[in-house]
Amino acid sequence: QSVLTQPPSASGTPGQRVTISCSGSSSNIGSNTVNWYQQLPGTAPKLLIYTNSQRPSGVPDRFSGSKSGTSASLAISGLQSEDESDYYCAAWDDSLNGLVFGTGTKVTVL
Amino acid sequence: EVQLLESGGDLVQPGGSLRLSCTTSGFTFGSCAMSWVRQAPGKALEWVSGISGRGDATYYTHSVKGRFTISSDNSESALYLQMNSLRAEDTAVYYCAKAIQYSKSGIDFWGQGTLVTVSS
Repeated sequence: QSVLTQPPSASGTPGQRVTISCSGSSSNIGSNTVNWYQQLPGTAPKLLIYTNSQRPSGVPDRFSGSKSGTSASLAISGLQSEDESDYYCAAWDDSLNGLVFGTGTKVTVL
Repeated sequence: EVQLLESGGDLVQPGGSLRLSCTTSGFTFGSCAMSWVRQAPGKALEWVSGISGRGDATYYTHSVKGRFTISSDNSESALYLQMNSLRAEDTAVYYCAKAIQYSKSGIDFWGQGTLVTVSS
């Protein structure tokens, strides 16, 4: 029942730039901030980007986030093998009165 | 260092009940909202329920309203999820999660998860 739409997969070679989109609506991304999470296989998610574009300490500056209207994006520049993971966007939804997650994107490093 | 540790996951029959617990440390528990998020096998993350830092506001996803109850004990820095009338579709890893501050601000830290399996 994901409310935010992401592409199921993305890929790139080492060193390339990969962008993941997250499409929502006026009640979620259009009204509230977006966070991004990285989930390595078999592990709990980890906060990657908060408040649309802020990086927590310890997150490499290769990761960047942006938001425009009812969509958001996560960019990974200088792709590395350890970036192979699932990525999720999330935002509060004022209509549902709850947190909504994206459908998830699996990033593969070729 | 923020630490969240879930417990209580188990195999339960459809229609049964289970109570999940989350013990926390490394932050001022009552100053942040908390949530439960679940992930069914091979599926995306799904927010289940949230509670304000003071415990005076609770939120639920539609599919669990009336069946699940979230609560917190600030004196114990603990979060709970009482799950009743469990269904097969509730099978998932359940994560305890800490909000950045308010529920709307989203999650910054996650526990390692506890597995709930609903099956006969």
